Amino acid sequence: GAVVSQHPSRVICKSGTSVKIECRSLDFQATTMFWYRQFPKQSLMLMATSNEGSKATYEQGVEKDKFLINHASLTLSTLTVTSAHPEDSSFYICSARTYGGRDNWETQYFGPGTRLLVL
Amino acid sequence: DAKTTQPPSMDCAEGRAANLPCNHSTISGNEYVYWYRQIHSQGPQYIIHGLKNNETNEMASLIITEDRKSSTLILPHATLRDTAVYYCIVREGNNNDMRFGAGTRLTVKP
Repeated sequence: GAVVSQHPSRVICKSGTSVKIECRSLDFQATTMFWYRQFPKQSLMLMATSNEGSKATYEQGVEKDKFLINHASLTLSTLTVTSAHPEDSSFYICSARTYGGRDNWETQYFGPGTRLLVL
Repeated sequence: DAKTTQPPSMDCAEGRAANLPCNHSTISGNEYVYWYRQIHSQGPQYIIHGLKNNETNEMASLIITEDRKSSTLILPHATLRDTAVYYCIVREGNNNDMRFGAGTRLTVKP
């Protein structure tokens, strides 16, 4: 299947600093990428959807000025957590959508996740 | 409002078939059923999807009832590495995102 990578895999930062997480589709072009957040013992929650070259669409309750998303190319999307606080500590997972496979259907593939700890 | 209902947890003996049920009684005609799984501290892994016909791939089989109100994911010979949270997702068309419910925590025991 298609491969999605994330970098870094884990990051620890001080409160008030900004952290950038990269998401890459390694062997396919993704017109649409997604960012999810997962707190311990909870399911994944969609934060935003981004299309290459356009502004991201944020889910209700997600602050767009705090979680900056850039989807500059068909293989790269970045999530920047600005002025991070301890409550932003979470597991951030990106996903990329591609065509192909059975029925030429779109399937979402997920990255391995980035664990953010804000002290 | 969740579109799917899954049991919170299940156990399965190693080497036996694991049958994971999912109810999606409000599914509409153009909505597909997707299955993903998430092994601890990793991103979700795509398993299989289907519309109305049963599907099989190298990982699993998907059985969808004739009325499409429920489905079952079958792992034919479960191994310890299949221990994970399994998510059943109903998604409309090509242009919508995947939204996750609580899933089923499958534990495969020796």
